[in-house]
Amino acid sequence: QVHLVQSGAEVKKPGASVKVSCKASGYTFTTYPIHWVRQAPGQRLEWMGWINAGNGNTKCSQKFHGRVIITRDTSASTAYMDVSSLRSEDTAVYYCARVGPDSAFDIWGQGTMVIVSS
Amino acid sequence: SYDLSQPPSVSVSPRQTASITCSGDKLGDKYVSWYQQKPGQSPVLVIFQDNERPSGIPERFSGSNTGNTATLTISGTQAMDEADYYCQAWDSYTVVFGGGTKLTVL
Repeated sequence: QVHLVQSGAEVKKPGASVKVSCKASGYTFTTYPIHWVRQAPGQRLEWMGWINAGNGNTKCSQKFHGRVIITRDTSASTAYMDVSSLRSEDTAVYYCARVGPDSAFDIWGQGTMVIVSS
Repeated sequence: SYDLSQPPSVSVSPRQTASITCSGDKLGDKYVSWYQQKPGQSPVLVIFQDNERPSGIPERFSGSNTGNTATLTISGTQAMDEADYYCQAWDSYTVVFGGGTKLTVL
């Protein structure tokens, strides 16, 4: 069974950083890219960026350019997303998702709630 | 930046056909995927490459994409289909999601 398991909920103060992990299992991690998508309470899905799990190349949405860093550890089959300079508007559920062979998000993590509050 | 537009809400009676649209400039030139999201859950892929169903997705889900509009069609809608639905496309190696449509089964 293919799974993506994310790290647990976080509560952060404005200006802080958060690092969310996404551990893959059930397939060869380096074969497919991992994307990050967030969803603020009651809002739409918002794409943040992705990493080529094979070569480590990344691309982020212009909206988050400079505040988001996506990395991976192939030995741990895990992708990470760092978001810095957090503000209240970053309060959201953060999802990792795999883009499979059909170029669609076929596997999603369970989501990680990040609350930014003073 | 590329934009995808969806109606905020669609209502359907049980066993009837629901159609959810997704509009974007020359969308028919791109592949569209659709995701179902129920409250408190992660999204689930229901249609990829315009009209393909992943294994495990019921046959009542189908899709089309032509011109500037992609459509998700649910035939014989069931109460369990009540959810938010998002369309998604690629634009120059970035991902775009539609605003989402809340499907209510009355």
